[in-house]
Amino acid sequence: EAGVAQSPRYKIIEKRQSVAFWCNPISGHATLYWYQQILGQGPKLLIQFQNNGVVDDSQLPKDRFSAERLKGVDSTLKIQPAKLEDSAVYLCASSLGWDRVSDEQYFGPGTRLTVT
Amino acid sequence: GDSVTQMEGPVTLSEEAFLTINCTYTATGYPSLFWYVQYPGEGLQLLLKATKADDKGSNKGFEATYRKETTSFHLEKGSVQVSDSAVYFCALTNTGGFKTIFGAGTRLFVKA
Repeated sequence: EAGVAQSPRYKIIEKRQSVAFWCNPISGHATLYWYQQILGQGPKLLIQFQNNGVVDDSQLPKDRFSAERLKGVDSTLKIQPAKLEDSAVYLCASSLGWDRVSDEQYFGPGTRLTVT
Repeated sequence: GDSVTQMEGPVTLSEEAFLTINCTYTATGYPSLFWYVQYPGEGLQLLLKATKADDKGSNKGFEATYRKETTSFHLEKGSVQVSDSAVYFCALTNTGGFKTIFGAGTRLFVKA
């Protein structure tokens, strides 16, 4: 079974530029998550989708971050404009979605973003 | 709000030593509790979980028991190996909103 795919793996941009990340979850997984992991910290949930609907985006900085999940499969996360403090690893994860409290989440390799 | 606190690292042990990584949580309701592990150069993966009070999760020789009275989910292993060197994250998912909250992670180094 193929895992969660993310691209690109690395990205370096200047502040005020825009960037987009792509995620393809495991086939059949209804729930998709985007996390931000700053060096030395645990992952912080940015947004959670159930199929193509948003379940939680309370920690997404909506003035600069946006995300969509087209047709309930692939997802993109965009930052526009980027700030220095956005430098982090952006993780995508997916889960079956049958029990959102106890489901195991499967993580992709992440995209390491450096904003200079 | 909900939160997870785990012991700071790094933790350095010799091979075959006993491991404990402490994790405590604050949450209303009845969350599920998880330990995720990140091996060098790899992505996060589930190590074990427990979904209700007094449940014990176990995998690869690791164990953790869901203690509601002490709001804890400490990770233990009787005899660590060099291959256990990794970063370990404690996490919870609560019934209100289904948001997963991670601790800061504890880095473990095991020396041969």
